[in-house]
Amino acid sequence: GEKVEQHQSTLSVREGDSAVINCTYTDTASSYFPWYKQEAGKSLHFVIDIRSNVDRKQSQRLTVLLDKKAKRFSLHITATQPEDSAIYFCAASVGDNSKLIWGLGTSLVVNP
Amino acid sequence: AQTIHQWPVAEIKAVGSPLSLGCTIKGKSSPNLYWYWQATGGTLQQLFYSITVGQVESVVQLNLSASRPKDDQFILSTEKLLLSHSGFYLCAWSPTGEDSDYTFGSGTRLLVI
Repeated sequence: GEKVEQHQSTLSVREGDSAVINCTYTDTASSYFPWYKQEAGKSLHFVIDIRSNVDRKQSQRLTVLLDKKAKRFSLHITATQPEDSAIYFCAASVGDNSKLIWGLGTSLVVNP
Repeated sequence: AQTIHQWPVAEIKAVGSPLSLGCTIKGKSSPNLYWYWQATGGTLQQLFYSITVGQVESVVQLNLSASRPKDDQFILSTEKLLLSHSGFYLCAWSPTGEDSDYTFGSGTRLLVI
């Protein structure tokens, strides 16, 4: 079946540094790639997404890059802050009706 | 504005007892609805999804069932809980007919003892 792989289970950075979380996908028809953040003990909330008609999208300190040829997308967080510490999930659309396939999550730790 | 409400917030239940978790979405007509399960510190596992009233598709059952009795309501249930049912249950919705982000509820934390 289709997969989304999130290759880093944990990522530790110093406050102020940049963090990059990488994901790959298998379905060539995937056209929508959202990212979600889950803080400790809480639910998921949407942070940023990208559609396949563009290869870059930025929102404040967050940038998503999409390489359709390599079937790879990544979340870049600049000037990290302790409140960025959380689990980040990537996902990719498959088929129709807004189905998403999820990565396993990357635990980002921002050290003061 | 759309709101999603899950209940209860948390439950402690005995093995073998029944369970019913609820999810209500307000302010959105005919949403796609989803149930997810997350083991403690674990990955997201999609359980069920529904695109319309009365229609529920199973992804992974885990001895659970789901129903959509109304357009804005999604219920997750089982007659007999297992220890392995412990975890965090999340309901989510997305608009029908378009690739879009999911909006998650605040979740129900379940401990089976």
